[in-house]
Amino acid sequence: GNSVTQMEGPVTLSEEAFLTINCTYTATGYPSLFWYVQYPGEGLQLLLKATKADDKGSNKGFEATYRKETTSFHLEKGSVQVSDSAVYFCALIRPGGSNYKLTFGKGTLLTVNP
Amino acid sequence: GAGVSQSPSNKVTEKGKDVELRCDPISGHTALYWYRQSLGQGLEFLIYFQGNSAPDKSGLPSDRFSAERTGGSVSTLTIQRTQQEDSAVYLCASSLALASGSRYNEQFFGPGTRLTVL
Repeated sequence: GNSVTQMEGPVTLSEEAFLTINCTYTATGYPSLFWYVQYPGEGLQLLLKATKADDKGSNKGFEATYRKETTSFHLEKGSVQVSDSAVYFCALIRPGGSNYKLTFGKGTLLTVNP
Repeated sequence: GAGVSQSPSNKVTEKGKDVELRCDPISGHTALYWYRQSLGQGLEFLIYFQGNSAPDKSGLPSDRFSAERTGGSVSTLTIQRTQQEDSAVYLCASSLALASGSRYNEQFFGPGTRLTVL
């Protein structure tokens, strides 16, 4: 079946530090890949996406590249801010008949200290 | 416009009681989804509604769980005879219908209902 594995948190960084949150996946075919973010007290928001191999998704200074050869979609940001503190979820949708079911990783809590 | 709204935001109930959770999707969104976020299982798909098509209920964990979508808009998730393992945050999302040739729908999530079963 489909699955997403992301690094366990929590991750604690100082402001302006470099961020990497690892994500790998298992799926048949070519899934679409996503990073969602959940700020405290808010719903999940789509952060970025990539729909085919070698695509790079980017938003708000965050980037992730769809690597088919390593089945990975690692999230990176060069300089984090306190406002980036949130829970980050890696997710996929498998193409085909059930191309609406998001399969999520367990989430990584990021805390950025000033 | 307004986003997806859910009510109540928090619900505490006693084991064995029934609960109803409500979701108001974004106006014009024909697809609606329920997910459950729990400590042990992470985020899990529960059910999917698309227009007048039969819903995909494959993620519902037991027959104590059911969901309805009236008039193609508001949805209610009902849990009968609640158990402690039902404690979780229940998330609702909505999206536009899948466009021809598109590989996915962007799903917009509500803030969730935190259910605690004592």
